[in-house]
Amino acid sequence: QLQLAESGGGVVQPGRSLRLSCAASGFTFSSHPMHWVRQAPGKGLDWVAVTSSDGSKADYADSVKGRFTISRDNSKSTLYLQMNSLRADDTAVYYCAREGYVPGSSWGFFDYWGQGSLVTVSS
Amino acid sequence: QSALTQPASVSGSPGQSITISCTGTSSDVGGYNYVSWYQQLPGKAPKLMIYGVSYRPSGVSNRFSGSKSGNTASLTISGLQAEDEADYYCNSYTSSYTYVFGTGTKVTVL
Repeated sequence: QLQLAESGGGVVQPGRSLRLSCAASGFTFSSHPMHWVRQAPGKGLDWVAVTSSDGSKADYADSVKGRFTISRDNSKSTLYLQMNSLRADDTAVYYCAREGYVPGSSWGFFDYWGQGSLVTVSS
Repeated sequence: QSALTQPASVSGSPGQSITISCTGTSSDVGGYNYVSWYQQLPGKAPKLMIYGVSYRPSGVSNRFSGSKSGNTASLTISGLQAEDEADYYCNSYTSSYTYVFGTGTKVTVL
């Protein structure tokens, strides 16, 4: 059964760092690009970052560029998000999501999501 | 990257059809057929409902359908049911190699 399980969230002071992990199981992790998506309390979904299937490429939302780093360890089927210089407006539930693809048809959609990990940035 | 524009709320009676719009630009919705839709129930992770503008994943009811015209994508729910009451978000790939979500629409079944 396919599963994505985030961990590493918690309360952190502004300016500090935190690393989220997302453990994947039930599918060939190394075959799929992976994403982080966040949702501030009571707000909408906000795309954060993507890493290619082999980890060689990454792209970021402007709001986190230069502060967050997405990475993966395919040998451990684990996705990471290193968050530095955290700000109050980074407070959110962070979801990891698998990018799906249909050969010859489509890609760029999020077909499986974790349950989310809450990050609270507060002094 | 600005969020795609969705109506804040849409409502309908059971059995009716409703349509949620998602307006972007030629750099996202209008430029690519990589538009997807997600349903989010309170306290839950989002669920994929439509991908590639109009494709429905296995297990999603055929009451859900998607389309696109120019810079606007749409999600239609036919035969509205109480269980469809949720928040819905569109998403698109962009010319900057990133992705952008819509502002979200709360669907209420009257």
